[in-house]
Amino acid sequence: DQQVKQNSPSLSVQEGRISILNCDYTNSMFDYFLWYKKYPAEGPTFLISISSIKDKNEDGRFTVFLNKSAKHLSLHIVPSQPGDSAVYFCASGVEGRGADGLTFGKGTHLIIQP
Amino acid sequence: EPEVTQTPSHQVTQMGQEVILRCVPISNHLYFYWYRQILGQKVEFLVSFYNNEISEKSEIFDDQFSVERPDGSNFTLKIRSTKLEDSAMYFCASSEARALEAFFGQGTRLTVV
Repeated sequence: DQQVKQNSPSLSVQEGRISILNCDYTNSMFDYFLWYKKYPAEGPTFLISISSIKDKNEDGRFTVFLNKSAKHLSLHIVPSQPGDSAVYFCASGVEGRGADGLTFGKGTHLIIQP
Repeated sequence: EPEVTQTPSHQVTQMGQEVILRCVPISNHLYFYWYRQILGQKVEFLVSFYNNEISEKSEIFDDQFSVERPDGSNFTLKIRSTKLEDSAMYFCASSEARALEAFFGQGTRLTVV
């Protein structure tokens, strides 16, 4: 049961370039989407979110795009920095429910090359 | 910055033993969660807790598991009679309101041998 899929287990990007992390979901009930970032030996940290009423949300270097018809979202990081090297989890849920309703993907390990 | 803290960071236990994983949520938060991540797998929801009772639980959270808020600050996950397949990273999380954005602790790595 993979309701949230991150098909790239890892991604390597040069410092200064754009990192694009992708996520697909299958459950049409999901209307809220989040990205979490995780460093080794730390817990996931909330990064950015988007509601299904929007198709884009921007926060500094991070932008999340949502394509509802394709059930696809992506996280863009521009420009990529060495500190961005981490595992990124896509998570989906239903607005109005708590974090107990979150479904996570398996994560993408982003490696920023100097 | 306030944070969720978990102890211990690593616990090794023998199969069949009971373990208690501890968490101190952020002090003004009202909703508490436990998640786990088996190596190489996705983060999975186990249970949520609000107002001193379980509000939601997943099918993973069977009779082997229990949660408790023994005092005003701690939130614990007890696993009775541990099995090899319970080996995972266990994350505690909390949120101020019933929100999707929860704050996670650093995790406890449980190894059952």
